[in-house]
Amino acid sequence: SQTIHQWPATLVQPVGSPLSLECTVEGTSNPNLYWYRQAAGRGLQLLFYSVGIGQISSEVPQNLSASRPQDRQFILSSKKLLLSDSGFYLCAWNLRGTSANTQYFGPGTRLTVL
Amino acid sequence: RKEVEQDPGPFNVPEGATVAFNCTYSNSASQSFFWYRQDCRKEPKLLMSVYSSGNEDGRFTAQLNRASQYISLLIRDSKLSDSATYLCVVGPNSYDKVIFGPGTSLSVIP
Repeated sequence: SQTIHQWPATLVQPVGSPLSLECTVEGTSNPNLYWYRQAAGRGLQLLFYSVGIGQISSEVPQNLSASRPQDRQFILSSKKLLLSDSGFYLCAWNLRGTSANTQYFGPGTRLTVL
Repeated sequence: RKEVEQDPGPFNVPEGATVAFNCTYSNSASQSFFWYRQDCRKEPKLLMSVYSSGNEDGRFTAQLNRASQYISLLIRDSKLSDSATYLCVVGPNSYDKVIFGPGTSLSVIP
């Protein structure tokens, strides 16, 4: 069965510090991978998605970036965090090329920028 | 107009009640539809897909109305454990991305 991992689970960072969040998927190959952010009391905002190694699509211009160095690894980064970067960061995957496109989420990383 | 809209609630219902949520979407070419459930401070989890003919899973019934561009979720015999935020999700004709609604909050009270 497929599982998706994210770490760290929680993170408190000062403004201006760098960020690296990691997501890995097990039990499947060639997944689509997604990064979402959910601000407190808000809906999910799609940040990036990837259909393959090195292929990243950005949905919202901002100070974040994403990379996919391996098939089942997706990394979210920032060089300098802003207060507005606080939120719940969720990684998700689904099978590429299927009409169902059901997405499955990792447990998330709760980021607080102070 | 937002791509996917939901009444944010909160819906406060007593145990055993029946409650219904609606969700409207703007893209008439949308092909796939889902309901997710999100518990407080947790990740969203798939509740059920929504099929053109409607479908049922235990106490949960989902319906799709393409002409009016909305989907619905009916919960019968509400349980305390049904308390959560319910997210409507719509997939365009691309296989790769879906759009999440803002969610409807449900509280089932004893």
